[in-house]
Amino acid sequence: GQNIDQPTEMTATEGAIVQINCTYQTSGFNGLFWYQQHAGEAPTFLSYNVLDGLEEKGRFSSFLSRSKGYSYLLLKELQMKDSASYLCAVMDSNYQLIWGAGTKLIIKP
Amino acid sequence: GAVVSQHPSWVICKSGTSVKIECRSLDFQATTMFWYRQFPKQSLMLMATSNEGSKATYEQGVEKDKFLINHASLTLSTLTVTSAHPEDSSFYICSARGGSYGDTEAFFGQGTRLTVV
Repeated sequence: GQNIDQPTEMTATEGAIVQINCTYQTSGFNGLFWYQQHAGEAPTFLSYNVLDGLEEKGRFSSFLSRSKGYSYLLLKELQMKDSASYLCAVMDSNYQLIWGAGTKLIIKP
Repeated sequence: GAVVSQHPSWVICKSGTSVKIECRSLDFQATTMFWYRQFPKQSLMLMATSNEGSKATYEQGVEKDKFLINHASLTLSTLTVTSAHPEDSSFYICSARGGSYGDTEAFFGQGTRLTVV
């Protein structure tokens, strides 16, 4: 079966760095997405990785290892507004998105 | 990025009535649209995938006759919840992809919070 695993909840301090991990087992692979979702709102796109390595975009970076079925989202210089759920999603061989359950990130002052 | 507009943002309806939710791609032609449902503190659950001009493909466990999906044009898809019941209360989100943006990234609408009383 297809499976996406990510931690349910994480807590970090304002100004710090946090890494949210995602492991996956899917039927084929056409890229991995990270989305941010604030409570009561639709997800917003953060990153897309299809090749191994690190993609940096401002305070956010995303890493992918296809051989390990592993990705992480790295958030630097955390701000209170970063408190949200972070969803990992993998596009399978049929170009369908398989979603993880999301990681709720709590930022403390 | 592209803009996907979903309407209404929230709706309250009486049990037994039907509710229509619209999803429009404003600046690109969406060959494929997806409808999701999300219960509190849970991840997105794909309900159905619709391609313009053809019947929607429903996920297992989603009732076709209850959740009517129409994708009549490249910029509009609608989800109609028929004979709504309180257990249908949820956050419904559409996403769209296609046009010049290709088949990888999908863009989300704002979501519709449905409350059935």
